[in-house]
Amino acid sequence: GQQVMQIPQYQHVQEGEDFTTYCNSSTTLSNIQWYKQRPGGHPVFLIQLVKSGEVKKQKRLTFQFGEAKKNSSLHITATQTTDVGTYFCAGRSYTGGFKTIFGAGTRLFVKA
Amino acid sequence: DADVTQTPRNRITKTGKRIMLECSQTKGHDRMYWYRQDPGLGLQLIYYSFDVKDINKGEISDGYSVSRQAQAKFSLSLESAIPNQTALYFCATSDFLGVGGYTFGSGTRLTVV
Repeated sequence: GQQVMQIPQYQHVQEGEDFTTYCNSSTTLSNIQWYKQRPGGHPVFLIQLVKSGEVKKQKRLTFQFGEAKKNSSLHITATQTTDVGTYFCAGRSYTGGFKTIFGAGTRLFVKA
Repeated sequence: DADVTQTPRNRITKTGKRIMLECSQTKGHDRMYWYRQDPGLGLQLIYYSFDVKDINKGEISDGYSVSRQAQAKFSLSLESAIPNQTALYFCATSDFLGVGGYTFGSGTRLTVV
C-alpha cells in the first residue's frame, strides 16, 4: 500500500541554524500538506502544495514539492525556539480512493 | 470556542471496559476522521466518514467502532479496551476538497490499565 516516509525522525539544532525535513512517497501524490504539532498540542495545518515543482514560502519556512510529485521538503531558515515541535507531511494519493497518509513526523529540538 | 471539540481530554480506564470518545465540530465540514497517535508512528487513521450516512474503515479499525450521529458529531468507541490501545486520539475534519487541510481537535489521551 501507499507509504509516506519522513526523515529525519529527530533533529537537534542550535538556535539560528537551518533545519530541513524530507518526505518521500511510494506513489505519485495529488497533493501534499504540512502540519506542525507543538509539544502537548495537536497538529495544525501549515500549507498545501499541489503543482509539480511548486515552492511556497511562509516567512522563514520554505516548502517544496518535487517534480515527480513523490517527494517534498520543509526548510526552516534561522530556527528560533518557537519552532520546536513535530512537523508532519501528509500525502494524498491518486490511488486507494484519494486517501491521505501521514508521515511519522520529524521532531525538532532548538537549543537557545 | 474551538472549531473541533473532543471529550474527554484525558481518560484512564480498565481493561475490558467500554469507552466512548466524542467529537463535535462547528466548521460545517462534511468529512470527519479519527486518528490515533503513538510516539514515532505518526498519525494512523482509524475510521473516517464523508457524510452522515457514510462510514469507512481506516488502517487500524480492529477493536474500534464509530457512530456519525449528525454532520457535526462523530464518536469513537472501544468496545472492550485493551492496554495496547493506550494512545493519543485525535478527531479531525476537512471540507470536500481538503484545500484548507485537516482541522484537528485537541486530542484525548487514553490510558488503559
